[in-house]
Amino acid sequence: QKEVEQNSGPLSVPEGAIASLNCTYSDRGSQSFFWYRQYSGKSPELIMSIYSNGDKEDGRFTAQLNKASQYVSLLIRDSQPSDSATYLCAVLGAGSYQLTFGKGTKLSVIP
Amino acid sequence: EAGVAQSPRYKIIEKRQSVAFWCNPISGHATLYWYQQILGQGPKLLIQFQNNGVVDDSQLPKDRFSAERLKGVDSTLKIQPAKLEDSAVYLCASSPTGELFFGEGSRLTVL
Repeated sequence: QKEVEQNSGPLSVPEGAIASLNCTYSDRGSQSFFWYRQYSGKSPELIMSIYSNGDKEDGRFTAQLNKASQYVSLLIRDSQPSDSATYLCAVLGAGSYQLTFGKGTKLSVIP
Repeated sequence: EAGVAQSPRYKIIEKRQSVAFWCNPISGHATLYWYQQILGQGPKLLIQFQNNGVVDDSQLPKDRFSAERLKGVDSTLKIQPAKLEDSAVYLCASSPTGELFFGEGSRLTVL
């Protein structure tokens, strides 16, 4: 059984601070990693994808991948109240199109 | 580009009744997924189609759940008979190659 683990939170950060979200996965052969944002009552929306070790930046978001440690993280700089949501880590299994999700981390950005 | 369409958005039934959900994926997306998301948890894969063939249905409770994808386009997910624990949001997603695009979901309440 492929596992994706996230701290469920809630994680509270003040407006303007950096929010750091973490995820670990069990399938060492996984190649593709995604972060989805899910607002309450809404469906998940893709915000970042990362495929190789290192950092990938997109605006205020930075995804970090360390395959040796089986660890993925998402940093949100200059956090805004509109960033308050649940962030889901998702991992694509090796050689498949099956995407396994973690339980999500709930982020609250306090004005 | 039109997104993934799902219906109905909401459904309330009594236990032991049946229900069906419909999904129309993004045009050209070969892979279609049905996920179940229970409140407070991440999405759990129920079934994955590649065109009109089943790729993975290992987590589908086949004694009560069934799904089909006719002509490799639209899909239906059926539950019969429903149990209380089936109360969840049923998310349909489609993908060209790995990145999932979700519909708005169908929220099922079983009383």
